[in-house]
Amino acid sequence: AQSVTQLGSHVSVSEGALVLLRCNYSSSVPPYLFWYVQYPNQGLQLLLKYTTGATLVKGINGFEAEFKKSETSFHLTKPSAHMSDAAEYFCAVTLGTGGFKTIFGAGTRLFVKA
Amino acid sequence: AAGVIQSPRHLIKEKRETATLKCYPIPRHDTVYWYQQGPGQDPQFLISFYEKMQSDKGSIPDRFSAQQFSDYHSELNMSSLELGDSALYFCASSPPLADSYEQYFGPGTRLTVT
Repeated sequence: AQSVTQLGSHVSVSEGALVLLRCNYSSSVPPYLFWYVQYPNQGLQLLLKYTTGATLVKGINGFEAEFKKSETSFHLTKPSAHMSDAAEYFCAVTLGTGGFKTIFGAGTRLFVKA
Repeated sequence: AAGVIQSPRHLIKEKRETATLKCYPIPRHDTVYWYQQGPGQDPQFLISFYEKMQSDKGSIPDRFSAQQFSDYHSELNMSSLELGDSALYFCASSPPLADSYEQYFGPGTRLTVT
């Protein structure tokens, strides 16, 4: 069965510090991997995605993620946190078979301290 | 650019009532997905449609039904509403032969059952 695990339901960093949000997946077929951000009472916004090709992908707002097949990971990073980064972040995997449904991780809430 | 439109944005119903949520995909997108996000939860896949046919089914209760119409818009019908149905309901769409399987999410409909 396919699944997504996000380590840490809450992560707190200081403004200007490195942001690291962890995501591991399990999939029997090559997955397509995504990170979404959700601000309070808002919808899901795509940060970045990995499908094929370069394993280091860059997204919006200075975020990037690296697909590591050997570790089945797709961790999200940002060199310097900004107050506006405070939000809920979801790692997700879309399967390239069947109905292409997306399976989400439980989410990680990022807090940024001044 | 056009985005996924969901209506209504907010809906308040009483227990045992019926609700209909509507989703208008991005023009020329042929696949629609429905997700349910409970308070503090990750989005859970409910059902998807491709070219007006159900393509995949997730954790959708039997009290719910959905369909995709000839203009590709979709409706999620929810009957005998329960308090636990209170959630944010997302619709997403994807274009034909999407090589990235990226889903474009709408802003969601917040359903409150009292």
